[in-house]
Amino acid sequence: GAVVSQHPSRVICKSGTSVKIECRSLDFQATTMFWYRQFPKQSLMLMATSNEGSKATYEQGVEKDKFLINHASLTLSTLTVTSAHPEDSSFYICSARESGVEAFFGQGTRLTVV
Amino acid sequence: AQSVTQLDSQVPVFEEAPVELRCNYSSSVSVYLFWYVQYPNQGLQLLLKYLSGSTLVKGINGFEAEFNKSQTSFHLRKPSVHISDTAEYFCAVSDRGYGGSQGNLIFGKGTKLSVKP
Repeated sequence: GAVVSQHPSRVICKSGTSVKIECRSLDFQATTMFWYRQFPKQSLMLMATSNEGSKATYEQGVEKDKFLINHASLTLSTLTVTSAHPEDSSFYICSARESGVEAFFGQGTRLTVV
Repeated sequence: AQSVTQLDSQVPVFEEAPVELRCNYSSSVSVYLFWYVQYPNQGLQLLLKYLSGSTLVKGINGFEAEFNKSQTSFHLRKPSVHISDTAEYFCAVSDRGYGGSQGNLIFGKGTKLSVKP
């Protein structure tokens, strides 16, 4: 199946700094990418949906100024957590879809803000 | 809007025993249904999906699921589990739209399967 690479897998940052997470589709063109957040022992919550070349659509309650999403090319989307705080610590997962139904998931990024 | 209910948060089972993980959904439109597996600190891997056609769907690792429209269920089964099947399993639904907010996956809360020797 198609491969989605997410980087980094783990990151620790200081409170107040910004962190960028990359999501790449390695062998297909991702017209749509999704970003999820997963709290411990809970399900995935969709944060935003991005289509290449256009602004991301954020889910209700997700601060667009805090979680900046860029989908500048058909193979790369980035999520930047700006001015991170300990409550932003979580597991972030991206997924990518070409034109069909199935979306493929990255390996996830464990963000710890200290 | 769609929603997914996974009735069991945890399912302990002995190795080589059969297992069923339950999933019910609600939707006012036709949907696609998925089961994903997540190992610790990893992303999600697709086990199987129902798009159309036969209601019995076979997936990887010996898993299968049956779509029951009248009961709005999509339960996951495996006749004989292994230690390596220990993981979190998520049922998901998406509507049959494309682009924008349509076609997004809505996940259940997950079921932790623990296989004991």
